[in-house]
Amino acid sequence: GNSVTQMEGPVTLSEEAFLTINCTYTATGYPSLFWYVQYPGEGLQLLLKATKADDKGSNKGFEATYRKETTSFHLEKGSVQVSDSAVYFCALSDLTGGFKTIFGAGTRLFVKA
Amino acid sequence: GAVVSQHPSRVICKSGTSVKIECRSLDFQATTMFWYRQFPKQSLMLMATSNEGSKATYEQGVEKDKFLINHASLTLSTLTVTSAHPEDSSFYICSARSPDQPQHFGDGTRLSIL
Repeated sequence: GNSVTQMEGPVTLSEEAFLTINCTYTATGYPSLFWYVQYPGEGLQLLLKATKADDKGSNKGFEATYRKETTSFHLEKGSVQVSDSAVYFCALSDLTGGFKTIFGAGTRLFVKA
Repeated sequence: GAVVSQHPSRVICKSGTSVKIECRSLDFQATTMFWYRQFPKQSLMLMATSNEGSKATYEQGVEKDKFLINHASLTLSTLTVTSAHPEDSSFYICSARSPDQPQHFGDGTRLSIL
């Protein structure tokens, strides 16, 4: 079945540091890949997505590239801010799974001033 | 853009009561709705998939008699937690999609059973 594996947290960085959160997936079909962010006490917000191989999703300085050869969708940001502190979820969804979204375990990011 | 509304956002009730959570797609017809559950500091786990006009499909380990799902119209699905107990306390999130719309998530309902 489909699954998503992402790096364990928490990740603690200083402001303006470079961020990478690794994500790999297993899928039987051709999934769309997503990064969601969840701030404390809130619901999910879609951060970015990519629907096919080699697509790059980007939003608010975050980027992730759909790598089919390595089945990866790593999240990166060149310079994090304190306001980026949140939990980040990598996820996939595809037709063979009935479009249900499968989430990774989540990675908690703390950014210090 | 498309929005999914979930109500209530927070509910606190006594053990043994039943609680209904509504999920509405506000500006599109959702052919499929999904219900997720999230325990503190954990990921979202899919509970069930609900297609309009048909019975929900529950994931393994989810009690269908405990978590009643109704998808009576193309804009509304409800999740009823029957005879809720403290272990049912969790964050419940719905999402909705259609052939023309990607999956959109509601803001979640925080359920606390005393």
